Amino acid sequence: DSGVTQTPKHLITATGQRVTLRCSPRSGDLSVYWYQQSLDQGLQFLIQYYNGEERAKGNILERFSAQQFPDLHSELNLSSLELGDSALYFCASSVSGGYNEQFFGPGTRLTVL
Amino acid sequence: EDQVTQSPEALRLQEGESSSLNCSYTVSGLRGLFWYRQDPGKGPEFLFTLYSAGEEKEKERLKATLTKKESFLHITAPKPEDSATYLCAVCSGNTPLVFGKGTRLSVIA
Repeated sequence: DSGVTQTPKHLITATGQRVTLRCSPRSGDLSVYWYQQSLDQGLQFLIQYYNGEERAKGNILERFSAQQFPDLHSELNLSSLELGDSALYFCASSVSGGYNEQFFGPGTRLTVL
Repeated sequence: EDQVTQSPEALRLQEGESSSLNCSYTVSGLRGLFWYRQDPGKGPEFLFTLYSAGEEKEKERLKATLTKKESFLHITAPKPEDSATYLCAVCSGNTPLVFGKGTRLSVIA
């Protein structure tokens, strides 16, 4: 158990819908990262927050957005969902915003029908 | 652009048959190289961080080494429970981790 929690574990929805994924980092970690993992793409970095502020952006679509709240938990919002958005979404956390090891949560499996 | 290439894509070993996984990287100023283990449908589990060429880290049957261009994950006398996908990732400067596509290891009893 890494100490990072994610909810829900599974999510099934329809195209065009909007969903919110939630992540709570390990106690004491200030950075939260979001990743998407699909079968053919591997782990793709989406976005990083550090102590409430956006720190880095990766291959995140405009339909996706995220935020980190004062209690350091984070939410990833996915809207206008398409079939291709079906994937595992992982949250990770680290102590700082730099080059520390990241600890991953168990993931949310999103299925778009 | 930082790049990570892992080989082989898949590896099948008999129990007790030692081998190595390779991670080749191209980065502008390596700050850290990370190894993770991932079981199907689960989140990656952190194994090691290596920071400079010549560094080595060990944990049970696993040993990670680092040169200026690549890292190796050596698996000594593997057991079936070592079956997993092993991911390598690099960090340069303040950029987020860049992951390789992984090596899928199967250890047969």
